[in-house]
Amino acid sequence: DGGITQSPKYLFRKEGQNVTLSCEQNLNHDAMYWYRQDPGQGLRLIYYSQIVNDFQKGDIAEGYSVSREKKESFPLTVTSAQKNPTAFYLCASSYVTGGGYEQYFGPGTRLTVT
Amino acid sequence: GESVGLHLPTLSVQEGDNSIINCAYSNSASDYFIWYKQESGKGPQFIIDIRSNMDKRQGQRVTVLLNKTVKHLSLQIAATQPGDSAVYFCAENKGGSNYKLTFGKGTLLTVNP
Repeated sequence: DGGITQSPKYLFRKEGQNVTLSCEQNLNHDAMYWYRQDPGQGLRLIYYSQIVNDFQKGDIAEGYSVSREKKESFPLTVTSAQKNPTAFYLCASSYVTGGGYEQYFGPGTRLTVT
Repeated sequence: GESVGLHLPTLSVQEGDNSIINCAYSNSASDYFIWYKQESGKGPQFIIDIRSNMDKRQGQRVTVLLNKTVKHLSLQIAATQPGDSAVYFCAENKGGSNYKLTFGKGTLLTVNP
C-alpha cells in the first residue's frame, strides 16, 4: 500500500519541550515538505527537502528544525523557540522532475502545547 | 471564492445544486494547477489538475476551468452532495525547474441537506 504516513495523529506537550513529528513515504518521491495549518487558514510552508541530506527553509521556519537522512523519512522537530506551536502539521511529498508536481499529503498531526 | 484577510471565504449550497469555487492565481508563468479537497481533521486530497495549455478539464462530477487572461481558476462540482462539504484549495506550480506548489487560502464549502 503506497502512501505517506504521519505519526502520531494527536500529540500533547508541555511548553518548553521539544517534540518531533514523524513523516514517512514509500512513493519513491524525491521531495518532501512540512506545512503548518492554523484554524480557518491555508497551508504555510515550514521546510522542504529535494534530496537526502539537503533541505531548505520555507516561509515560517523559525522555531522548527528538520533532517533528511533517508529518502523515505523527513521528521520535523518543533523546538521550544517556536512561539505558537499549537497547530495542525501536514507532511507531503512529490516528484521533482517530469512536470505534474502533485503533492501527496499525509493525514496530519495535531499538536497541542499547553 | 477570493480570500480576504485571515478567514476562509465560504460557500453554502443546497444538496443537488451545482457549486462553483473560484481561485485567483498569482503568476502568469504558472503552467500547472491543482485542486485539493480537505475534510475536517484530514490531509488534503487531490481532486483534479490542469495544465496551462488547456482551458477545461473534466473529471467525475467535477470540472476545472482555466482562464489565463485574467489568471483565474474555477472548480465546478455538479449535483453537490453532503460528502462534498470540505475546504477546497487551489495550487499552482510556477513552472520550469521549480517543483514547489503555491497554495491558495481555500474556500469552505458547506452543503445543506
